[in-house]
Amino acid sequence: AQSVTQLDSQVPVFEEAPVELRCNYSSSVSVYLFWYVQYPNQGLQLLLKYLSGSTLVKGINGFEAEFNKSQTSFHLRKPSVHISDTAEYFCAVTPVGAGSYQLTFGKGTKLSVIP
Amino acid sequence: DSGVTQTPKHLITATGQRVTLRCSPRSGDLSVYWYQQSLDQGLQFLIHYYNGEERAKGNILERFSAQQFPDLHSELNLSSLELGDSALYFCASSSGTSGSNEQFFGPGTRLTVL
Repeated sequence: AQSVTQLDSQVPVFEEAPVELRCNYSSSVSVYLFWYVQYPNQGLQLLLKYLSGSTLVKGINGFEAEFNKSQTSFHLRKPSVHISDTAEYFCAVTPVGAGSYQLTFGKGTKLSVIP
Repeated sequence: DSGVTQTPKHLITATGQRVTLRCSPRSGDLSVYWYQQSLDQGLQFLIHYYNGEERAKGNILERFSAQQFPDLHSELNLSSLELGDSALYFCASSSGTSGSNEQFFGPGTRLTVL
């Protein structure tokens, strides 16, 4: 079984400042890792994913994340946030080669961008 | 727009009742996943169907059931509803059976049990 821990439930940050949203996971097997964003009253949208290869992955809207296998982390970063980035962000994992690829999500981090 | 549609958008019902939530996946997607999002439990996987067959079950109550029809749309049936079943229910679809396939989420059905 897998578990995902998002260390911060809420992160306030000023506009144009950098931000890092932290995610750690636990799994006995290899996993694929994802970050999803949920804007108010909407469904989830994929920001980026790590499948294999380079540990630094770039996604949409200027976000990037770095996979660290030894620390079982997959932190999300953006060098300069905008008001429009205000949303809830979810880290998720799914096992490699399991036959069914349901996502296990963290509890989410609410990012509030302050003008 | 993800291409995944869910109906209804909102549903208000009473305890003890039964409801059906509907999901139409993106064109060509064979996999449908159902998730429940609640304030206390967060986002939890319920069930996965692939091309009409059940592939995996998560934390789905016995009062809940689902199916995927030949046209690939899926329905989630919730019966003997309790106050604690109030939540946002999402379905997601993907094209295949690889974990690398992106899951596209619908807008959700907000269920309120009074």
